[in-house]
Amino acid sequence: QVQLQESGPGLVKPSETLSLTCTVSGGSLSLYYWTWIRQPAGKRLEWIGRVYPSNPSNLWHYNPSLKSRVSMSLDTSKNQFSLNLTSLTAADTAVYYCAREDSYGHGGFYDYWGQGALVTVSS
Amino acid sequence: IVLTQSPGTLSLSPGDRVTLSCRASQSVSTNYLAWYQQRPGQPPRLLIYGASSRATGIPDRFSGSGSGTDFTLTITRLEPEDLGVYYCQQYGTSPSSFGQGTKLEIK
Repeated sequence: QVQLQESGPGLVKPSETLSLTCTVSGGSLSLYYWTWIRQPAGKRLEWIGRVYPSNPSNLWHYNPSLKSRVSMSLDTSKNQFSLNLTSLTAADTAVYYCAREDSYGHGGFYDYWGQGALVTVSS
Repeated sequence: IVLTQSPGTLSLSPGDRVTLSCRASQSVSTNYLAWYQQRPGQPPRLLIYGASSRATGIPDRFSGSGSGTDFTLTITRLEPEDLGVYYCQQYGTSPSSFGQGTKLEIK
């Protein structure tokens, strides 16, 4: 059974950078896309970006609305992938989920999710 | 693609049947549409993908249908555990996008 677990700070100051890590157990990172999704309180889910370990020439895809501030990385030796989001504002306050994507070309559906990490941006 | 779900909130009784709607601002490529249930304090759970295929372990009380811009999720014989917010998601066009959700309350 695949399990995902987010880790990172719960409180970050405005203008700083958020760093979150997702640890995957029960399966390899290969052959799937791995995704970050966030959910501000009371609002719809928003796809942030995804990483595909099996295609080094086409590794990352980011939401155009966040592309200038987002980066993702991989550590296959630890079965982890990470999210960095820069220049934070209060609008970035949300629950951040990592998820496994079963991909069909431009996107896919999400069949395994972490429990979510609440991130608050406040001074 | 903007997904609009209706109604916003429903309050129904155990045993009832419910139909939730998801309308897309443009046609969803290859009917790449999924449905999720999110119970309070939990991550979303995949119910349906490809508009009508049930995910592993999802009971046949849940069914999805539709094509193009109009999709529905039907739940028959409602049970108390069906409470939560239901989201649709399209993955045929990048970036993937979600609806705003329909909240289902069980009386």
